[in-house]
Amino acid sequence: KAGVTQTPRYLIKTRGQQVTLSCSPISGHRSVSWYQQTPGQGLQFLFEYFSETQRNKGNFPGRFSGRQFSNSRSEMNVSTLELGDSALYLCASSLAGTGMGYTFGSGTRLTVV
Amino acid sequence: QQQVKQSPQSLIVQKGGISIINCAYENTAFDYFPWYQQFPGKGPALLIAIRPDVSEKKEGRFTISFNKSAKQFSLHIMDSQPGDSATYFCAASKWGSQGNLIFGKGTKLSVKP
Repeated sequence: KAGVTQTPRYLIKTRGQQVTLSCSPISGHRSVSWYQQTPGQGLQFLFEYFSETQRNKGNFPGRFSGRQFSNSRSEMNVSTLELGDSALYLCASSLAGTGMGYTFGSGTRLTVV
Repeated sequence: QQQVKQSPQSLIVQKGGISIINCAYENTAFDYFPWYQQFPGKGPALLIAIRPDVSEKKEGRFTISFNKSAKQFSLHIMDSQPGDSATYFCAASKWGSQGNLIFGKGTKLSVKP
């Protein structure tokens, strides 16, 4: 069974640009969450989606947005990139409502120069 | 505001020893407490999780101890092995919002042969 797939694995962008990251959850999983991981701040929650609806949102500026499609695949977008947005962006999926934990992907390493 | 405090930041244990990592939380609404293990270049992987209605949960060499009155929980790794060398994260969330995890800062464990 395939795990959570995140693309691309690595990305280099310039300050001011925008970026879109993609996440394909485990087949059958309808809940997807996104996290930002940095050495200084650790793992921080960005947003959670279920059935194309955003259920929760973390404390990030409006430059960070996301969406979920009808096939449960999810994307997150960061506009007007700043140097501080350099991080590992992790996606996690779960069978919502089962109490099961979330399975993480390997992440997308974003570097802003 | 750090809602989940984790200690120590790093830990060195001899092979066969017991590794102990501690976490404390502030929000009494939290009722789901997972532990994640992360290897370099990989996303976090769920190890074991507990809810406040039990004081201890064991899965193989991994045990969570939970103290609701003190708002503390800990991970014990028995018979630690070099392959256990990784970064461990405790987390907390409300049941039903497991996709919105508040993570501790992590503990880097090194198990010496």
